[in-house]
Amino acid sequence: DIQMTQSPSSLSASVGDRVTITCRASQSVMNYLNWYQQRPGKAPNVLIYAASRLHNGVPSRFSGSGSGTDFTLTISNLQPEDFATYYCQQSYDTPRVTFGQGTRLEIK
Amino acid sequence: QVQLQQSGPGLVKPSQTLSLTCALSGDSVASNSAAWYWIRQSPSRGLEWLARTYYKSRWYNDYAESVRSRISINGDTSKNQFSLQLNSVIPEDTAMYYCARIETLARGISTFDIWGQGTMVTVSS
Repeated sequence: DIQMTQSPSSLSASVGDRVTITCRASQSVMNYLNWYQQRPGKAPNVLIYAASRLHNGVPSRFSGSGSGTDFTLTISNLQPEDFATYYCQQSYDTPRVTFGQGTRLEIK
Repeated sequence: QVQLQQSGPGLVKPSQTLSLTCALSGDSVASNSAAWYWIRQSPSRGLEWLARTYYKSRWYNDYAESVRSRISINGDTSKNQFSLQLNSVIPEDTAMYYCARIETLARGISTFDIWGQGTMVTVSS
């Protein structure tokens, strides 16, 4: 299976900050990379698909980039509702999709 | 509005069978552009796919190697739902279980865009 490794595992930031989360795949996944946000007690919600495309209704302060094995999720102008856990997920090897271990974004 | 509604018990005894159902509204399980997954989440294993099913004139199923010998997924077009059975459960199967739709947006590009509410399943006697 393709391994997805996120860094950092946790991150502290303040409202208004800009943060970046990285995701590395154990082999190329081209641009078949999605990002999700998960709030406590809820299912994940898709933010970004195909590495850089914003899903319907997702605020423009979220952006994604990368291809091959290295990807980033950037959140600009952090809002209180953005403090959550973020996951990357590859769909290159469907049906054997795999997720990163998550990055917990906390309020400083 | 597309929704997935999960049902099934939250407590299963070791060696018994875990059974969960996911009912779809607002879409068809026979959709040409969608497939249907069971995914679980635990602190030790993170988010882990378990099974996938999709319909193209008939049902096709795929299973994760980690559970292949004791899992089955079944789609039902008449009831517009799909289900999971995991046999011979052990305490390590304790997790939050989700059903989810993966929608194909373009060739090779797909994303989990609809999720069930989750069912916390505990394996304990």
